Amino acid sequence: GAGVSQSPRYKVAKRGQDVALRCDPISGHVSLFWYQQALGQGPEFLTYFQNEAQLDKSGLPSDRFFAERPEGSVSTLKIQRTQQEDSAVYLCASSSRGAGNSPLHFGNGTRLTVT
Amino acid sequence: QQQVKQSPQSLIVQKGGISIINCAYENTAFDYFPWYQQFPGKGPALLIAIRPDVSEKKEGRFTISFNKSAKQFSLHIMDSQPGDSATYFCAALHPNTDKLIFGTGTRLQVFP
Repeated sequence: GAGVSQSPRYKVAKRGQDVALRCDPISGHVSLFWYQQALGQGPEFLTYFQNEAQLDKSGLPSDRFFAERPEGSVSTLKIQRTQQEDSAVYLCASSSRGAGNSPLHFGNGTRLTVT
Repeated sequence: QQQVKQSPQSLIVQKGGISIINCAYENTAFDYFPWYQQFPGKGPALLIAIRPDVSEKKEGRFTISFNKSAKQFSLHIMDSQPGDSATYFCAALHPNTDKLIFGTGTRLQVFP
């Protein structure tokens, strides 16, 4: 595709519900990243995949957050038992190599609102 | 712990003026320093980036100045235009990870 695609664009969840956010990276991009962006703040790293391997998940805020990329392309970020503090924009980015060797291309994000 | 500090939080510039945004970092192991531009409702887009072996990089109206000893770097936007109005983020990368650490952002408004 032309760019990184994320769906849904907006998601409203009631507290306690589970949500799944999808990311379609640029075709052929090896590296895939998830970031969380709170209102008025910079993106904060959540997790990183190289192909299907999750190499770093140190930014996931709790064990309610889970990410996967089973075939090394599409990735899903799942949040279980959502809480109000999970409300944020979730950004996905991909790069052809690592973040320091090739530009990160971000999607437009999924805005999650937990009520 | 905020590893990349960015200032100012907001900036208002007249069309044609120079916009300057500053960042400071703590970890001397960082080896890649990009700047991202973000419009409302969009994801960040890479604007320009620098590595610590050079002190300045220019691309069109955008220049990064890098001061390794002071652990500071800045973005200069020459001849600022209303279309430059956006939020700008500096970032830094540690070579042993692939984690970009972002600053808190600067909202730039350029008035005609």
